[in-house]
Amino acid sequence: EVQLVESGGGLVQPGGSLRLSCAASGLTFTAYWMAWVRQAPGMGLEWVANIKQDGSVIHYVDSVKGRFTISRDNAKNSLYLQMHSLRAEDTAIYYCARLYCSGGTCYGAFDVWGQGTMVTVSS
Amino acid sequence: DIQMTQSPSTLSASVGDRVAITCRASKTINILLAWYQQKPGKAPKLLIYKTSTLQSGVPSRFSGTGSGTEFTLTISSLQPDDFGTYYCQRYDTYPLIFGGGTTVEIK
Repeated sequence: EVQLVESGGGLVQPGGSLRLSCAASGLTFTAYWMAWVRQAPGMGLEWVANIKQDGSVIHYVDSVKGRFTISRDNAKNSLYLQMHSLRAEDTAIYYCARLYCSGGTCYGAFDVWGQGTMVTVSS
Repeated sequence: DIQMTQSPSTLSASVGDRVAITCRASKTINILLAWYQQKPGKAPKLLIYKTSTLQSGVPSRFSGTGSGTEFTLTISSLQPDDFGTYYCQRYDTYPLIFGGGTTVEIK
């Protein structure tokens, strides 16, 4: 069974830092782009960042550029999101997600999701 | 950035009803559009990708159509398990954008 399990969320003060992790199992991790998607309380979904299989290509939403860093460790089947200079508006559930791939081509739709980890930025 | 607007924001329908949710793009996009279902407290679930391709395991009562700026998710015969919030998402270019969501309630 394909499984993504996030960890690392919690309460952090504005301006603080946090590192999220996502442990993947049941899939060939190196075959997939991976992503972080977030959802503020009571709100809709917001894509945060994507990373290519080998880490060579990365995309971010503008609101986190320069503050967040997505990375992966293929030897550990793990995805990370390092977050700095956190703001109240970063408060959200952060989901780890796998990008759908077919026939060797990966698309920007997300076919496997973790259960999410909550990040609360508040003083 | 191209914005995605969903309508209606909420809808209430009876079991067996045909239900349609619309997603409009602020500019023409290609067919790289997906639909998700999210239930309270759960992660989203991919239903449809590439506008009309049903994800494996998704019931055939779900279908997707559209082109240009207007896309539709249709549930042909609403079932009790279909409650939740539905999101469209374009993935033809970055940034990847989700629609604001449509909450479906069962009468």
